[in-house]
Amino acid sequence: GAGVSQSPSNKVTEKGKDVELRCDPISGHTALYWYRQSLGQGLEFLIYFQGNSAPDKSGLPSDRFSAERTGGSVSTLTIQRTQQEDSAVYLCASSSQGADTQYFGPGTRLTVL
Amino acid sequence: AQSVTQPDIHITVSEGASLELRCNYSYGATPYLFWYVQSPGQGLQLLLKYFSGDTLVQGIKGFEAEFKRSQSSFNLRKPSVHWSDAAEYFCAATSGNDYKLSFGAGTTVTVRA
Repeated sequence: GAGVSQSPSNKVTEKGKDVELRCDPISGHTALYWYRQSLGQGLEFLIYFQGNSAPDKSGLPSDRFSAERTGGSVSTLTIQRTQQEDSAVYLCASSSQGADTQYFGPGTRLTVL
Repeated sequence: AQSVTQPDIHITVSEGASLELRCNYSYGATPYLFWYVQSPGQGLQLLLKYFSGDTLVQGIKGFEAEFKRSQSSFNLRKPSVHWSDAAEYFCAATSGNDYKLSFGAGTTVTVRA
């Protein structure tokens, strides 16, 4: 596609439920990133993929958060047993290689009730 | 620790007036520097970037930024703002051997008629 796409654009869930957020990077981009944007914390790095491997998961806030990438393309961020503090906008970005310009998707706004 | 600082949380400017947004970085070596813009409910759009070379960088939408090593700054400017420039602006940085972006807290720009 022309840019990074994310789905859903909005997700409302109840506390304790699991959610899956999807990211489809720019075609041919080998690097993929997840960030979280929240009112109190600003923009925070979560995880980085190079191909299908994730050499850096250091930003994942807890073991309730996990992510995978298959076929070197689409990535899924999963949050288990959601908490209200997980409410945020989750942004995905991709680049042609690590340490290159990152292009962002429109984000998924997650609201945990 | 590596960090990016945007000293101004909110700036109000009249349409047609000039705009300057400040950004300072703290890195061991000169990082790669970026400015992104985010309109309400949208993702981050890249305005411009600096990797090396000419310290005055031209971007999209009539924006430019100047890298000043002596001041550890990368300020964004526009000579004449338009109402459509109302948005939140983020300065970001990454080191040459890194990939995760560190973001400033953002500056919200309001344009008055």
